Amino acid sequence: AQSVTQPDIHITVSEGASLELRCNYSYGATPYLFWYVQSPGQGLQLLLKYFSGDTLVQGIKGFEAEFKRSQSSFNLRKPSVHWSDAAEYFCAVAFGNEKLTFGTGTRLTIIP
Amino acid sequence: AAGVIQSPRHLIKEKRETATLKCYPIPRHDTVYWYQQGPGQDPQFLISFYEKMQSDKGSIPDRFSAQQFSDYHSELNMSSLELGDSALYFCASSAMGLRETQYFGPGTRLLVL
Repeated sequence: AQSVTQPDIHITVSEGASLELRCNYSYGATPYLFWYVQSPGQGLQLLLKYFSGDTLVQGIKGFEAEFKRSQSSFNLRKPSVHWSDAAEYFCAVAFGNEKLTFGTGTRLTIIP
Repeated sequence: AAGVIQSPRHLIKEKRETATLKCYPIPRHDTVYWYQQGPGQDPQFLISFYEKMQSDKGSIPDRFSAQQFSDYHSELNMSSLELGDSALYFCASSAMGLRETQYFGPGTRLLVL
């Protein structure tokens, strides 16, 4: 079945530590790939996106993501997290300008 | 830069009442999408419009209807509200073309009592 999977429901990281959030997709073709962040009660902010080309994409707030076709993955990384990074992170896919299909999200908690 | 505008931001309704949510896309964006996010859930696609025509339909109840107007703003009309309709409703907009990205508004939080 076509799906977007975020295997980690909740991740806790110490401030200043590195972060990796996982995302896998299962589609016949490679979709467009996105990461969005949502602070509590807030809207969805686009962190970065991958359409084609360089498999390592840079986003806002110091985030980056790497597309790995062989693993059908698009993992989000940040070398050093800040307390303000605490939020819900959603991986999403789309084909062209069609609807976004979201993963179930990963809640990130930062501890001092 | 201009963003997607949604109104109202918060709405409280009784069961069986009607609600209308409005979305104003980013200027020169011609495509609007509506999503529903229940508590602790990921956003679910409801419906989309391109150039005032419905372009795709997701898991939108028959009690809901939507349209896009000539100025590209969109309205989501919800009738016979149920407790389960309580959710955050997002509107997103994009510009038609290849590789387009959806930009989200802040959402309308609907509470049905």
